[in-house]
Amino acid sequence: GDSVTQMEGPVTLSEEAFLTINCTYTATGYPSLFWYVQYPGEGLQLLLKATKADDKGSNKGFEATYRKETTSFHLEKGSVQVSDSAVYFCALYRGGGSEKLVFGKGTKLTVNP
Amino acid sequence: KAGVTQTPRYLIKTRGQQVTLSCSPISGHRSVSWYQQTPGQGLQFLFEYFSETQRNKGNFPGRFSGRQFSNSRSEMNVSTLELGDSALYLCASSLVSGGHYNEQFFGPGTRLTVL
Repeated sequence: GDSVTQMEGPVTLSEEAFLTINCTYTATGYPSLFWYVQYPGEGLQLLLKATKADDKGSNKGFEATYRKETTSFHLEKGSVQVSDSAVYFCALYRGGGSEKLVFGKGTKLTVNP
Repeated sequence: KAGVTQTPRYLIKTRGQQVTLSCSPISGHRSVSWYQQTPGQGLQFLFEYFSETQRNKGNFPGRFSGRQFSNSRSEMNVSTLELGDSALYLCASSLVSGGHYNEQFFGPGTRLTVL
């Protein structure tokens, strides 16, 4: 079945450091891919998305490119801030008459000043 | 525009009891999905409702059930609670169903603790 694997955390960085969180997926067909973010005590918020191969999703300085050849969707940010501290989830959507999202296990990011 | 609301936000129950959680989607959204979030298993899909019908169900025992009302509000029920049911239960709503992706908006969740 469909699955998403993302790097285990936690990840601790200093402010202004470069961030990469790896994500790979297994799915048939052409899924859409997402990064969601969860701040403490809150639900998930969509951070960015890509719906087809070679698409680049971007938002708030974060970027991820849909690489079908490597089945990857790695999240990157050039300079993290303390306010980026949160849990990040990679997810895929395959459609087919359902709104079901398949999530990775999440990566907790802590950014220190 | 009000977001997805979930009630209650926190619940404490004992083993063997049952519990009902409620989710009110964003106005106009007709699809409601439920997810269980635990430290060990991460986010797992429970089920999805659209127009009062269950469209998809995850790999959970029959103790987990749900329903959707005509106003799109949804409830999920867990009977005969087990310690392992302790989790954050998240509800998400989306505007329409279909083959293409419709952004799902998540509520803050209900934190269930089973003692």
